[in-house]
Amino acid sequence: EVQLVESGGDLVQPGGSLRLSCAASGFTFSRYWMHWVRKAPGKGLVWVSRVNGDGSSATYAGSVKGRFAISRENANNTLYLQMTNLRAEDTAVYYCARAHCSGGSCYYGHFDYWGQGTLVTVSS
Amino acid sequence: DFVMTQSPLSLPVTPGESASISCRSSQSLVHSDGHSYLDWYLQKPGQSPQVLIYLGSIRAPGVPDRFSGGGSGTHFTLKISRVEAEDVGVYYCMQALQTPRTFGQGTKVEIK
Repeated sequence: EVQLVESGGDLVQPGGSLRLSCAASGFTFSRYWMHWVRKAPGKGLVWVSRVNGDGSSATYAGSVKGRFAISRENANNTLYLQMTNLRAEDTAVYYCARAHCSGGSCYYGHFDYWGQGTLVTVSS
Repeated sequence: DFVMTQSPLSLPVTPGESASISCRSSQSLVHSDGHSYLDWYLQKPGQSPQVLIYLGSIRAPGVPDRFSGGGSGTHFTLKISRVEAEDVGVYYCMQALQTPRTFGQGTKVEIK
């Protein structure tokens, strides 16, 4: 059974840092591209970042570029999101999601599995 | 970036009746391979999002056949026939053609 379990969410002051983790199981982690998506209170879903299977390529939403860094440890089946210089508007539940792969390509894949989310609150 | 616009944003429905949600993209979502890279997700209250439809019209495994997706180019539609109480939540369309992925604003479906 595919499982994605996020952790690391916390209350942090503006300007602070936090690292989120997403522990994956039930599938060959290194074969899949992984994404982070967030949902702020009262707002909709917003895509944050994605990383390819071997971790060599990452892309970010403009709102987090230069502040967030996505990475993965395939040996430990874990995805990370390092967040720095946090702002109040980064307050959200952060989900990791797996991109479906078809024909060897994951680039366009829909998000077929999601974690339960971890809450990040940025406030003084 | 692709801008995704959903309507309506709120949709009260009567159980047993049908419902329809529109999603428009600022640019065509048709790839040269012929596929339309448009997905639909549902976030039920207190739950994580789940995929309903991908490639515009393909139901994800386990999704009831009362859910159907259609459209092409820049206009897509999610239809729910015979709405049930368990269908309440917020529905999102998302374009998967280009990074950054972008979602619509969400459509809140509630039972009358």
